[in-house]
Amino acid sequence: NAGVMQNPRHLVRRRGQEARLRCSPMKGHSHVYWYRQLPEEGLKFMVYLQKENIIDESGMPKERFSAEFPKEGPSILRIQQVVRGDSAAYFCASSPGSENQPQHFGDGTRLSIL
Amino acid sequence: QKEVEQNSGPLSVPEGAIASLNCTYSDRGSQSFFWYRQYSGKSPELIMFIYSNGDKEDGRFTAQLNKASQYVSLLIRDSQPSDSATYLCAVNGYSNTGKLIFGQGTTLQVKP
Repeated sequence: NAGVMQNPRHLVRRRGQEARLRCSPMKGHSHVYWYRQLPEEGLKFMVYLQKENIIDESGMPKERFSAEFPKEGPSILRIQQVVRGDSAAYFCASSPGSENQPQHFGDGTRLSIL
Repeated sequence: QKEVEQNSGPLSVPEGAIASLNCTYSDRGSQSFFWYRQYSGKSPELIMFIYSNGDKEDGRFTAQLNKASQYVSLLIRDSQPSDSATYLCAVNGYSNTGKLIFGQGTTLQVKP
């Protein structure tokens, strides 16, 4: 499968735990984007990364959320001390290069907080 | 004013008709425009993208862009029940950082 791979597909956490969401971009893609879709709301940009660099994190909440895209391995979106309001679908997208090129989305991770 | 606006619908059309979906945006500096289709519980799927004023056709889909009016549309010809989904308009954000700004989406219902 050459598409954007996200795992896990579903993640259940209790309040106060940590959530780690993983994303491997399409083959040949070096730009990774994370978006969040809250129930009954639109897709909201969170962060844009290239290998070892955060390019734009203007959509990231100031606390508890962090993202990385290491030289080796998938991009990770990390949420510490999760709260009920973090329950959402988290989508990763990738593009091959320049910022104008189309982004292709993974299947998403559905995060549920108990 | 929202950055990207779409009529939430639902837009209901009979099978075989043309569905017209519209989107306006506020940032005059935007240069890239995308249409995604999202079925309930699924991820967004890229349908069309357009960069220049005018029309761009791909099969049953036509994207139209008018930068002067800050308006982009998607036409779906010969609509099928399988086209029933939410259609998301997305615009490349300020300063071309790659950040996509999405509209709320228009729900399309194609009735057999």
